[in-house]
Amino acid sequence: GAGVSQSPSNKVTEKGKDVELRCDPISGHTALYWYRQSLGQGLEFLIYFQGNSAPDKSGLPSDRFSAERTGGSVSTLTIQRTQQEDSAVYLCASSLFAPPNIQYFGAGTRLSVL
Amino acid sequence: GQQVMQIPQYQHVQEGEDFTTYCNSSTTLSNIQWYKQRPGGHPVFLIQLVKSGEVKKQKRLTFQFGEAKKNSSLHITATQTTDVGTYFCAVVQGGGADGLTFGKGTHLIIQP
Repeated sequence: GAGVSQSPSNKVTEKGKDVELRCDPISGHTALYWYRQSLGQGLEFLIYFQGNSAPDKSGLPSDRFSAERTGGSVSTLTIQRTQQEDSAVYLCASSLFAPPNIQYFGAGTRLSVL
Repeated sequence: GQQVMQIPQYQHVQEGEDFTTYCNSSTTLSNIQWYKQRPGGHPVFLIQLVKSGEVKKQKRLTFQFGEAKKNSSLHITATQTTDVGTYFCAVVQGGGADGLTFGKGTHLIIQP
């Protein structure tokens, strides 16, 4: 596609429910990243996929967070048993090659946990 | 992994004044990237610096990478309302992790 696509754009959920966030990277980009941004704050790295290699999960905040990337393209970030502190904008980015290649960001998913 | 300190956190300027944001690291960086995020938007890549002492210009924006490759700056000459947003520096984490570590950003607020 023309850019990184994320869905949904907004998600409101109740505490304790599971949520799935989707990212469709730019076609042909081998690297995919997930970040979290709390209101007015910087970006917190969550996880990075490069091609078919095992992902770098070093930034995942807890075992309630998981992500997968199917067929080296679309990625899903899953948050289980959501907590109020999970409320944030979740941003996905992709790059043609591995870091430090330019990252192109999607518009993000705004998650609100009530 | 790499840590970067970005200052100031907020900068209020009058339209037409200059603006500078700084990014500092305690360790030598292989490269540094700069991104801009408009209010309500997502980060957009501006530039990447790789060489010691490198200076790059984009119209009114000047980017510098320090000689020791431990600091970088972004300078905007004669700010305009379109410059409003948050400017982030970003470095590769290193230490086996490959994501980008972003500075906390400098929020540029322009008063007309």
